[in-house]
Amino acid sequence: AQKVTQAQTEISVVEKEDVTLDCVYETRDTTYYLFWYKQPPSGELVFLIRRNSFDEQNEISGRYSWNFQKSTSSFNFTITASQVVDSAVYFCALSSYSGGGADGLTFGKGTHLIIQP
Amino acid sequence: EAQVTQNPRYLITVTGKKLTVTCSQNMNHEYMSWYRQDPGLGLRQIYYSMNVEVTDKGDVPEGYKVSRKEKRNFPLILESPSPNQTSLYFCASSPSSGRNEQFFGPGTRLTVL
Repeated sequence: AQKVTQAQTEISVVEKEDVTLDCVYETRDTTYYLFWYKQPPSGELVFLIRRNSFDEQNEISGRYSWNFQKSTSSFNFTITASQVVDSAVYFCALSSYSGGGADGLTFGKGTHLIIQP
Repeated sequence: EAQVTQNPRYLITVTGKKLTVTCSQNMNHEYMSWYRQDPGLGLRQIYYSMNVEVTDKGDVPEGYKVSRKEKRNFPLILESPSPNQTSLYFCASSPSSGRNEQFFGPGTRLTVL
């Protein structure tokens, strides 16, 4: 079984502040994949990043950065200099591959991020 | 345009009346999946399909059926809907498995009275 925990149900910050969204995962597999998706108020789900378990390099994309730490089973997401348009629900997800076939995708419950002007 | 489409987008029905939500993708993806989204519970996988005629249960399959007779289509069937199936449903596809980025449809909001 696999599990994703996003302990922060809701975060509210003022525009231009930095904010980190936490994601902790559980899996027995050594090969797995982690994702972040964004769901803006319009409701669609937008892919942000995919990371496999063998690549612990942190990644930066503009104001977004991701910190993957296998030692703590965490895949945290930081937005630098937040903007009102970053307001959304953010989901962390996990997929593991167990040899005989790919498992499904398990999502965390999401973090609702509110950026106040 | 590469996309996943779902129909209908909104549906209000009554308990016990069979319904089908269609899902179609035009990207020749092998993997397709259904999720439901409920407040406080996030997205939960209902069923997924690795290829034609290959389907598997996700975390919450009870009360749902799926079929994959063609690569592009993956309908979700509720044979006897109940109010606890009121939810927002998303269909998704990816090139080969849940290991890849998934492309999501726009969602279907279902209300069962």
